[in-house]
Amino acid sequence: QVQLQESGPGLAKTSETLSLTCTVSGDSISSHYWSWIRQPAGEGLEWIGRVFFTGIGDYNPSLKSRVTMSLDTSNNQFSLKLSSVTAADTAVYYCARDYPAWVRGVIFDYWGQGIPVTVSS
Amino acid sequence: DIVMTQTPLSLSVTPGQPASISCKSSQSLLNSDGKTYLYWYVQKAGQSPQLLIYEVSSRFSGVPDRFSGSGSGTDFTLKISRVEAEDVGLYYCMQGIHLRTFGQGTKVEIK
Repeated sequence: QVQLQESGPGLAKTSETLSLTCTVSGDSISSHYWSWIRQPAGEGLEWIGRVFFTGIGDYNPSLKSRVTMSLDTSNNQFSLKLSSVTAADTAVYYCARDYPAWVRGVIFDYWGQGIPVTVSS
Repeated sequence: DIVMTQTPLSLSVTPGQPASISCKSSQSLLNSDGKTYLYWYVQKAGQSPQLLIYEVSSRFSGVPDRFSGSGSGTDFTLKISRVEAEDVGLYYCMQGIHLRTFGQGTKVEIK
């Protein structure tokens, strides 16, 4: 059974960098693209970006200038860094399994439970 | 950027009655591989979203057959043939042909 678990600080300071990690179990990080998605309280889902095991990433154009994603294949983890955060970045952040790398499949069939992050001065 | 527009944003349904949600994309979601990358997800209270329908009309594993998807190009529909209490939640369409974009979400509640 594939499982994803987000981890990281639940609080970030305005103008600083938010850093989160997603640990994957039950699947190899090299098998799929991996995405981050966020949801402000009471609002809808916003895709942040995705990363492939090569380190290549695709990002939401509205966040691209502030987002960096990376992978740690040795620990089967992938990470999100969002710089220059403001209160508008306060949200629940989800990691999810994206499209398979080598075969046909589906997008976002497995999700983490989500981690709430608050940005405050 | 591809914009996804869902209607209605809220739906109140009597148990046993059908429900329908529309999703329109600003560009065609038909890919050169012949597949149309339109997905539906549901988010129940306090939970992570879960996949319902992929590529317009294919039900994901374990999804009841009262859920069905249809459409092509830029116009898509999710239908619940007979709504049950457990279907309450937020329903999102998403395009996967160019990056990823979600619709605003449709809240389904029981009358």
